Amino acid sequence: EAQVTQNPRYLITVTGKKLTVTCSQNMNHEYMSWYRQDPGLGLRQIYYSMNVEVTDKGDVPEGYKVSRKEKRNFPLILESPSPNQTSLYFCASSLNSGGPGETQYFGPGTRLLVL
Amino acid sequence: DQQVKQNSPSLSVQEGRISILNCDYTNSMFDYFLWYKKYPAEGPTFLISISSIKDKNEDGRFTVFLNKSAKHLSLHIVPSQPGDSAVYFCAASEGTYKYIFGTGTRLKVLA
Repeated sequence: EAQVTQNPRYLITVTGKKLTVTCSQNMNHEYMSWYRQDPGLGLRQIYYSMNVEVTDKGDVPEGYKVSRKEKRNFPLILESPSPNQTSLYFCASSLNSGGPGETQYFGPGTRLLVL
Repeated sequence: DQQVKQNSPSLSVQEGRISILNCDYTNSMFDYFLWYKKYPAEGPTFLISISSIKDKNEDGRFTVFLNKSAKHLSLHIVPSQPGDSAVYFCAASEGTYKYIFGTGTRLKVLA
């Protein structure tokens, strides 16, 4: 089944404790992206990757890191999480370059609580 | 500053009637617009899109209208069904790999 998977689905952590949220897609998509969803703010793009080893900042990259060493995986790294990073996170992928109008397929989400 | 705005946080419609969801944007450089639907505990799923060179795109019960001069787009669902109850996000792109999403509108279709 074609899908985008994220792990973990739920995570409670404490301020300053490094964590990684994994994202994997089995559709051979080139483009992958991370979003966070917050009440009243909608979905905001954190980072995106056009292909292996090519990443760029979205609208809210502060406090996050990403890497794209293989096509299928795009982990989101929080080196020193803070309470304002408590949010619902979505990973997404699309077939080609993620250019205008290209359909993105979203994962099920990771709910993160930073105490 | 929110470049893509969905000013109605929620909307209730009777089954069988038309649902109209609205989206306004401020950046005249946006050239592609998309609508996504999101159910609770799931990721958003793509619904329909429209390029800025068009003013209408239709897919079954879903039609998106784009008014470039007013920087406004709308999603029409006819007829509305209870399974359409979800949060709807509009999104815009300006020919890059970045996407700007609106804050979402929660649609409730009453049986």
